[in-house]
Amino acid sequence: NAGVTQTPKFRILKIGQSMTLQCTQDMNHNYMYWYRQDPGMGLKLIYYSVGAGITDKGEVPNGYNVSRSTTEDFPLRLELAAPSQTSVYFCASEQNTEAFFGQGTRLTVV
Amino acid sequence: GDSVTQMEGPVTLSEEAFLTINCTYTATGYPSLFWYVQYPGEGLQLLLKATKADDKGSNKGFEATYRKETTSFHLEKGSVQVSDSAVYFCALIKPMDSNYQLIWGAGTKLIIKP
Repeated sequence: NAGVTQTPKFRILKIGQSMTLQCTQDMNHNYMYWYRQDPGMGLKLIYYSVGAGITDKGEVPNGYNVSRSTTEDFPLRLELAAPSQTSVYFCASEQNTEAFFGQGTRLTVV
Repeated sequence: GDSVTQMEGPVTLSEEAFLTINCTYTATGYPSLFWYVQYPGEGLQLLLKATKADDKGSNKGFEATYRKETTSFHLEKGSVQVSDSAVYFCALIKPMDSNYQLIWGAGTKLIIKP
């Protein structure tokens, strides 16, 4: 009963480096989301997907890319890391209006 | 557009005090309303929900009533515990909307002192 699994839990990147945040869910949910949460702030939607092969931009998509080749996986790609991308990233899936969140990835760009 | 407004935190209370965290929303149609809780170092998890006007959601001693006339969904608990310390998020969703996604409030940090 894993739910939504994110890896890694922590990462430090240098400016200009790239990385992929992994997200997988085992609940067969069609809807998946990537959010970022800055200190003391709420959630901002980066990208979302309504099913395999379909993705769309959220509120703050610049500097990120996503893909959804399978129902289970929804990786988030940072191509050229910038200090402004220091944040905690949450992946979520949703079914019947209930969202299920991963534990989060704390990313620091230095 | 649709939006959710929560009272600013942090809210600091003593153990066994009565809790209210205000949430109001702006949305067309008939949204469903939610409270999520985020404990330190964890992701968000659903606390309670209400899908239509006058519904009351409840869980773990927390309650919230969907008030369409005041567009509100205030979270209440009669006697808080130290373990309730967390960040609470109010959210809405419109199941029939083509942009089918949760709209989040900014979150309210709750601190309970023993």
